[in-house]
Amino acid sequence: DADVTQTPRNRITKTGKRIMLECSQTKGHDRMYWYRQDPGLGLQLIYYSFDVKDINKGEISDGYSVSRQAQAKFSLSLESAIPNQTALYFCATSEPSGTGDVGKQFFGPGTRLTVL
Amino acid sequence: GESVGLHLPTLSVQEGDNSIINCAYSNSASDYFIWYKQESGKGPQFIIDIRSNMDKRQGQRVTVLLNKTVKHLSLQIAATQPGDSAVYFCAENHEYIFGTGTRLKVLA
Repeated sequence: DADVTQTPRNRITKTGKRIMLECSQTKGHDRMYWYRQDPGLGLQLIYYSFDVKDINKGEISDGYSVSRQAQAKFSLSLESAIPNQTALYFCATSEPSGTGDVGKQFFGPGTRLTVL
Repeated sequence: GESVGLHLPTLSVQEGDNSIINCAYSNSASDYFIWYKQESGKGPQFIIDIRSNMDKRQGQRVTVLLNKTVKHLSLQIAATQPGDSAVYFCAENHEYIFGTGTRLKVLA
């Protein structure tokens, strides 16, 4: 079984709808992340969480919210979806690097979201 | 090489040749670096890492070189194979920015 799973894998929705993307992990990591990737571009950090009580905004948090329901679960919500939120969304987990903030990350398979 | 904010640079390499993918970083405090490989339609996957107390680290067919003086990182892939075709990202432990990555195309 995959260590980091994301549901749904694909979603098409309409402008103004509320959408939730879910992420679960069996790696036992405290740290979890949500990234967005647009075609031909790199990953942009939306939110990250170092433990259940610690949630932090990333580069592009506007229009998004998150919930860390448990160590193993981290959900991303789009309160009112808009077309420019059409993208590939990745969840990731990591252990601490031991020397800094970000260690080796393990990514889920991604959710392809289309907002019409 | 990789730079934040630019569209994806592409490196085309003949099958069997060696590939070199470059990455520049800006944070002098960074002391742990990671290379990821992202195949089409999949999430990035860890390839190799290196700590700042090393200049070179070798894996299976891959080598990472670190030049702290000029803040430069490179990934070398020996005997490049079609399965190496992907986008490669570098990352550092004090930043969450992956940059645009470099697309490696392996020519038959």
